[in-house]
Amino acid sequence: QLQESGPGLVKPSETLSLTCIVSGGSINSSTDYWAWIRQPPGKGLEWIGYIFYSGSTYSNASLKSRARMSVDTSKNQFSLNLTSVTAADTAVYYCARRVGDFNRPSFDSWGQGILVTVSS
Amino acid sequence: SFALTQPPSVSVSPGQTASITCSGDKLGNKYTSWYRQRPGQPPVLVMYEDRKRPSGIPDRFSGSSTGNTATLIISGTQAMDEADYYCQSWDFSTSSVVFGGGTTLTVL
Repeated sequence: QLQESGPGLVKPSETLSLTCIVSGGSINSSTDYWAWIRQPPGKGLEWIGYIFYSGSTYSNASLKSRARMSVDTSKNQFSLNLTSVTAADTAVYYCARRVGDFNRPSFDSWGQGILVTVSS
Repeated sequence: SFALTQPPSVSVSPGQTASITCSGDKLGNKYTSWYRQRPGQPPVLVMYEDRKRPSGIPDRFSGSSTGNTATLIISGTQAMDEADYYCQSWDFSTSSVVFGGGTTLTVL
């Protein structure tokens, strides 16, 4: 199971910080990556990126390096920091587990999602 | 850049077969996953690697992929299948996950 946590309201130009706690399994998986995916209200899914327990990451270039991910294996959790947010970053943010080989990823377990609104 | 295109909506009568398509350049040479999302809920994986069903997904769901199109097929469609469906694949050129825009399946 995965569970997101963090503030539901962030001011423009500030940093959005979210954490996902993994339960029922170890984040130290040798095969799985841990992902962030978002969904603006009424719109489709957008991949943000994912991180391996070692710290290696893949991320969406469209976010222009604003997204920073980290992992804390001692707490079995991983985190997302999204800098310089604007109203366009308002979305439901999901954490998920990425399974499958490098060229055939899929997301087989998702958190419930957390709505983050960017507004002053 | 690599993009996936889905029809915005598909309608089907109960008990009939629904086909939801996903188009992308040479998509048949990649692997496609499909997700079902009911209102207010997170997405659920219903198909991966084009045609493999996760445990718990009924065999009414099947998938195929050839050429530039992947297809999710739902046979004997039920009211509970009403949802948004998203396809997803991998863009080798940018090492990125790509989602389609989503298709709303209506059972009426």
